[in-house]
Amino acid sequence: AQSVTQPDIHITVSEGASLELRCNYSYGATPYLFWYVQSPGQGLQLLLKYFSGDTLVQGIKGFEAEFKRSQSSFNLRKPSVHWSDAAEYFCAGVRGTSYGKLTFGQGTILTVHP
Amino acid sequence: DAGITQSPRHKVTETGTPVTLRCHQTENHRYMYWYRQDPGHGLRLIHYSYGVKDTDKGEVSDGYSVSRSKTEDFLLTLESATSSQTSVYFCAISESGQNSGYTFGSGTRLTVV
Repeated sequence: AQSVTQPDIHITVSEGASLELRCNYSYGATPYLFWYVQSPGQGLQLLLKYFSGDTLVQGIKGFEAEFKRSQSSFNLRKPSVHWSDAAEYFCAGVRGTSYGKLTFGQGTILTVHP
Repeated sequence: DAGITQSPRHKVTETGTPVTLRCHQTENHRYMYWYRQDPGHGLRLIHYSYGVKDTDKGEVSDGYSVSRSKTEDFLLTLESATSSQTSVYFCAISESGQNSGYTFGSGTRLTVV
């Protein structure tokens, strides 16, 4: 079955430090992959997406993600975290022939210390 | 989000009562989805629609039904609410599925007491 896994439930970083959030996928073929962010009490905002081509994808708010087929991973990175980045982050994937049904990871809560 | 609204935003209901949540879009998108969000589970697909009157079950469909009689509206009904259905419910729309991206509504927080 298709799945998306986020191994880290909670990550704490200091403001200004670099960040990497992990995402692993399990699909028969290369899926379309997404990262979303959710602030407390809010809906989901798309950070970036990968469909094909360049494996390094740039998104909003200074985030980027790298697709690595050999590792079945799509990790999210940011070189310098700001306090406003504190939120919950979700990785999601969809198979190309599945009516666009997104499968989400369990989410990673990011806490930023001043 | 612009183009998609969910109602109500909050609801408290009693066990055993039916509840209907509404998702309304103004984007004329073909695909609509209902997800529930619970801590530790991310978002899980309840039902989805790929056109008017075309719906299908998702991962956690037991106890839920849906209807889509118009392109713009996708209704989620809890036939007889249970405490396990206390959750935050999100609607999403997509123009063509997959690579056209998704827009999410602001969510409905449902509490079953």
